[in-house]
Amino acid sequence: GAVVSQHPSWVICKSGTSVKIECRSLDFQATTMFWYRQFPKQSLMLMATSNEGSKATYEQGVEKDKFLINHASLTLSTLTVTSAHPEDSSFYICSAKTGMNTEAFFGQGTRLTVV
Amino acid sequence: AQTVTQSQPEMSVQEAETVTLSCTYDTSESDYYLFWYKQPPSRQMILVIRQEAYKQQNATENRFSVNFQKAAKSFSLKISDSQLGDAAMYFCASQLEGAQKLVFGQGTRLTINP
Repeated sequence: GAVVSQHPSWVICKSGTSVKIECRSLDFQATTMFWYRQFPKQSLMLMATSNEGSKATYEQGVEKDKFLINHASLTLSTLTVTSAHPEDSSFYICSAKTGMNTEAFFGQGTRLTVV
Repeated sequence: AQTVTQSQPEMSVQEAETVTLSCTYDTSESDYYLFWYKQPPSRQMILVIRQEAYKQQNATENRFSVNFQKAAKSFSLKISDSQLGDAAMYFCASQLEGAQKLVFGQGTRLTINP
């Protein structure tokens, strides 16, 4: 299957700082990328959907000014957690698709810890 | 709105035995896709099996098969000859035809007893 690489795998940052997570489709062009948040022992919660070259669509309740998503190319999307706080600590997962009804491929996830 | 419900938070099975994980969903649409994903301890999401709603035949992938009951909006996963490597969280998910996003169930943690 296609490969989606997420970087970093884990990151620790101080409260008030910003952290950027990258999601790359290595061997295919991703027209759409998705960002999820997963709390311990819970399901994946969709945060936003991003299409290359356009603004991301955020799910209800997700602060778009706090979770900045950029999908500047067909192989790269970034999630920036701005002014991070301990409550932002979580596991963040991205996925990518080549088209509307195609399979979604997932990155390996990023564990963010804000101290 | 789409909803996916997994009513079994945890399941366990003896190695080499068969286990069935339950999933029900709710949608008013007639065209959609259903999926089972596996999330092992590495946290990497892996697609196990996919079913198109317009197909009556149940999907199978080696030891994994589904029982798709469209009228009942049920989509269970059967794992035959369970192996230790099958231990993981399993998520049921749905996606409407023409839509982009997946809607996930709450997940079922599967333990394999040696």
